Parts: sequence; structure tokens; C-alpha cells
Amino acid sequence: AQTVTQSQPEMSVQEAETVTLSCTYDTSESDYYLFWYKQPPSRQMILVIRQEAYKQQNATENRFSVNFQKAAKSFSLKISDSQLGDAAMYFCAYRAPQGGSEKLVFGKGTKLTVNP
Amino acid sequence: ETGVTQTPRHLVMGMTNKKSLKCEQHLGHNAMYWYKQSAKKPLELMFVYSLEERVENNSVPSRFSPECPNSSHLFLHLHTLQPEDSALYLCASSHKKGVGSGNTIYFGEGSWLTVV
Repeated sequence: AQTVTQSQPEMSVQEAETVTLSCTYDTSESDYYLFWYKQPPSRQMILVIRQEAYKQQNATENRFSVNFQKAAKSFSLKISDSQLGDAAMYFCAYRAPQGGSEKLVFGKGTKLTVNP
Repeated sequence: ETGVTQTPRHLVMGMTNKKSLKCEQHLGHNAMYWYKQSAKKPLELMFVYSLEERVENNSVPSRFSPECPNSSHLFLHLHTLQPEDSALYLCASSHKKGVGSGNTIYFGEGSWLTVV
């Protein structure tokens, strides 16, 4: 079964600094999708960034980028120039490719605090 | 503004009550999901509907009854709940797996349920 592990329950960063959140996963599939979602205090789950496993290039979205290491099954999120609005729970998630379960498997989350 | 709208945002109900949670998506998707988020637990997939047909039921007790009358609407009917069912219930939608949008799932803001 696929599993997603986030080893950092909490992280903190100074405003304008850079922080990296870790995520590892376990799968026997060769093609799949990985996601980082942000859940602010409003509790809505907001998509931050998405990576297709068949793409070697790391995904980037403005200040957010990932370091995707397929062989190591690692998918870390880097937030550059951190802003107060980045404070939230961050969830790493895995989704199987076409066919099979529709399930989006989540890690337990990392709570990010941004200090002014 | 979100493309997935959930009502009510907050619900308090007694153990003998019958209530329903409603979800509506405006994204043209054809798959919808119910997730449960409890304190200190990873998000749990409850039900998946694809093209208005239930395709997954992850061992959810029968006191939770989903209904998907069309591709834009999803309900979760609640009856004879227990206090441990108190949680945030998140609705989500996507294109049918394997079709478009990189298999990304979009979430609503959630419905806070308290069972007393």
C-alpha cells in the first residue's frame, strides 16, 4: 500500500527566509502524481504545487518549488521569501496513476509558523 | 472564492438527529469525494463518486450515507452519529481519474461537525 511520511510535525521560519518541508513516500508504481496542499486556519485545502512522476524537471510555482528525487522517493517543498500568509499546515499527498484507487493519500502534515 | 462550496460550514447535532451536508462544485468536474479530518489523524477518504456512480466506500459506517444526484452535487446524510464522528468533513472534486488537469483534486472549505 502507498504511504506518505512527513517527518517534521512542526517547522518555523523567519519572514523573508527560506524553509524546506520534507516528504517521503512508498510505492511500487513507476508513474504517479505528488502534491503539496496548504491548509490555513480557514481549513480549506489549497493546492500549492503538483509534480508528475514521469517528469524529471522539478515543478515550481512562484516562491514554491519542489525537489523531487524519484529513486529516493523523496518530494520536499521549498518556500522562498517566506511570508506571514504562508503560515499553515502543509500536507504532502500521493495519487496513483490511471486505474486503481481514486484515493489521494496524505501525510500527517507539517505545521509551518512564520515569525515576523 | 472556491469552486467547491460546502454548506453548512458548522453543524451541531444530537446523536438522534438526522442532518445532511451539502457540496456543490462549479468546476465542470465529474468526480466528487468526501474526506474526514479528525484531530491528530491523517485525512481519511470516505467515499468517491465518479460519473455519479459510487466507486469507493472505505469501510465507512452506515450512519454516513452519501448521495450524488448529479455531477455537480454531493450530499452526506448523517443519522445516529456518535461523538467520535465530530470532525471536519471536506468535500472535493476532480476530473474523472486519468482525464485532464493532471488528476488534481480541489477541495471545499469544509463542514465542521460536532455531535453532542
